[in-house]
Amino acid sequence: SQQGEEDPQALSIQEGENATMNCSYKTSINNLQWYRQNSGRGLVHLILIRSNEREKHSGRLRVTLDTSKKSSSLLITASRAADTASYFCATDDDSGAGSYQLTFGKGTKLSVIP
Amino acid sequence: EAGVAQSPRYKIIEKRQSVAFWCNPISGHATLYWYQQILGQGPKLLIQFQNNGVVDDSQLPKDRFSAERLKGVDSTLKIQPAKLEDSAVYLCASSLESASFAAQHFGDGTRLSIL
Repeated sequence: SQQGEEDPQALSIQEGENATMNCSYKTSINNLQWYRQNSGRGLVHLILIRSNEREKHSGRLRVTLDTSKKSSSLLITASRAADTASYFCATDDDSGAGSYQLTFGKGTKLSVIP
Repeated sequence: EAGVAQSPRYKIIEKRQSVAFWCNPISGHATLYWYQQILGQGPKLLIQFQNNGVVDDSQLPKDRFSAERLKGVDSTLKIQPAKLEDSAVYLCASSLESASFAAQHFGDGTRLSIL
């Protein structure tokens, strides 16, 4: 079952603007990860935030986590055309025997217009 | 470091035929994953290996799908016989360890079309 659900499904912005994507999930987690997927390519790991963290930064990326609301957001500042991609949140799910399966949402498709 | 290698990149077969995909993970990565990504959705885990042992195959349709990771390095995923609903991108990923905080490194996938 897919735990993380991203919102919006699609987002179109002008280059230089900020892009915010949200992720909601249903059960308690240990960690939440964000990935990017360019068209026709595999996923690339962007950032991980642990359940005891509220905010994390990496370059132009800012991730927040609100465990009480079971939600996370990914902010990309000063967007570039190269940021055009689909963005997925992934939550861990202890499915037993220590496998810690990652469950991905359906993603947000971001288009950055030059 | 070299990334996760997958082949072939594209495959077109007719339903009821068989197909196999190959994956070579990043050197030294003990954990290997196979995902199925249907158009417009996120990846769904099919099977997870730790070295050459299966850790989780709860979502693998075992009546038609099989996977192996001999010698704990390369892996193959097979579908026999294929159904129309198997049309998807099959992604292989690897990580240093089997932990919820481990970043997964993905290959570019095999796009499978079933006619």
